[in-house]
Amino acid sequence: GAGVSQSPSNKVTEKGKDVELRCDPISGHTALYWYRQSLGQGLEFLIYFQGNSAPDKSGLPSDRFSAERTGGSVSTLTIQRTQQEDSAVYLCASSRDPMIDADTQYFGPGTRLTVL
Amino acid sequence: RKEVEQDPGPFNVPEGATVAFNCTYSNSASQSFFWYRQDCRKEPKLLMSVYSSGNEDGRFTAQLNRASQYISLLIRDSKLSDSATYLCVVSNYGQNFVFGPGTRLSVLP
Repeated sequence: GAGVSQSPSNKVTEKGKDVELRCDPISGHTALYWYRQSLGQGLEFLIYFQGNSAPDKSGLPSDRFSAERTGGSVSTLTIQRTQQEDSAVYLCASSRDPMIDADTQYFGPGTRLTVL
Repeated sequence: RKEVEQDPGPFNVPEGATVAFNCTYSNSASQSFFWYRQDCRKEPKLLMSVYSSGNEDGRFTAQLNRASQYISLLIRDSKLSDSATYLCVVSNYGQNFVFGPGTRLSVLP
C-alpha cells in the first residue's frame, strides 16, 4: 500500500499562531513517531505512540507541543503560539509492532514549517 | 556524551573509492541497529539493518561490535549516487530510536 503521508508539505505561519501537522502512517503499523530536523542538523525525537499505550512524550521541547493519535492511526502534532525557533522539518515515521520484532521505521516526506 | 556519535565528516572521495563510517553508542541495552541514508532535503530511508554477525548487501557491509558498542558501515566502489548523509540508528526493542547526527558523504567524479 501507500507509504507514510504527511500534510501539509509546507507551512508558513506567523509567530504566535497555532499550527497542526498531520501524519497518516502505513496501514497496520502500530508504532508512530514524530521527529523534527532543523537545517543541517540531526533528527530530534519528539513523541512516540505504540498501540493503546500511553505515548512517550519525553522528547517534546515545551508544553506548546502536543500530539494525539486517533483510532490508532492518524496522528496530529499541534504547536501552539509558534516561535521562530520552531522552524524545522517535522518528520513522521511508522513501524510494525516493535515489541514483537524490532523493525525499521518508514518515514513520511515531512512538513517544512517556517515561522516568520 | 551523546547517545549516538558518528564521524563528523564530511567525507569527499573519488568514484570507485572505499569509504568507512564509524558510529558509537552509549546505551548498552540497545538491541537493534540500523544505517539510514538521507538525501538532501529528503526523508531518511533505511539502508540496512546491522546484525551481530555482520552483514553485507552488495557494495555495503555493516559490522557490529557489542563489546565496544561500535557500528561500522563500509562502502566499496563508491558511486556518485552514494552521495548522501548516512545516519547511524540504535534502538531498544523499537521503543526508543536514537539517531546519530549523520556523516555526509560526497562522491566526486
